[in-house]
Amino acid sequence: EVQLVESGGGLIQPGGSLRLSCAASGFTVSTNYMSWVRQAPGKGLEWVSIIYGGNKTSYADSVKGRFTISRDDSKNTVYLQMNSLRAEDTAVYYCARQRFYWFFDLWGRGTLVTVSS
Amino acid sequence: EIVMTQSPVTLSVSPGERATLSCRASQSVYSNLAWYQQNPGQAPRLLIYMASTRATGIPARFSGSGSGTEFTLTISSLQSEDSAIYYCQQYNNWPPYTFGQGTKLEIK
Repeated sequence: EVQLVESGGGLIQPGGSLRLSCAASGFTVSTNYMSWVRQAPGKGLEWVSIIYGGNKTSYADSVKGRFTISRDDSKNTVYLQMNSLRAEDTAVYYCARQRFYWFFDLWGRGTLVTVSS
Repeated sequence: EIVMTQSPVTLSVSPGERATLSCRASQSVYSNLAWYQQNPGQAPRLLIYMASTRATGIPARFSGSGSGTEFTLTISSLQSEDSAIYYCQQYNNWPPYTFGQGTKLEIK
């Protein structure tokens, strides 16, 4: 079955770090553009980061310098390392596969990150 | 950054009627636009890409149109399960990919 499964979310204090994982099955992450998209409680969708090709990456300005996206091809898994977390990073984080570098054609169920003291 | 603006914010339509949702881009995105449906507590689902192409498994009552800066998602013959939030997204200029703020569709 073709699917994405996120994990690693939880409650973390401001300034803390967390690493999210996105395990893919039924396709190969290394041959696809893969992104993280987040959704704050009651809010819309916000693109966070992308990894593609030979580990090329890009980030939203809101997370640049604090978040790092990476990939383990042997595990067919994408990661999002989140450092210096802020209250405004509280959201459900979705992993998503892209058709080429275009739209998001496959989404995981998401993992909730709550940044609070 | 391209700003996507959706209207209306909320739309209430009776079953069997037609719903028309709009999305405007702050500059031309050509036909590089997608629509997603999101039900409460669920991940978004791709409905339309390239402005007018239905994704796999999407019913024919969903249709998209437009190009440049003005786009429309039309849902004909509304059914109760169509109640959801709908988002548009441009992928012409990135980073960043940008989404509209969403339209909440309610079935009367």
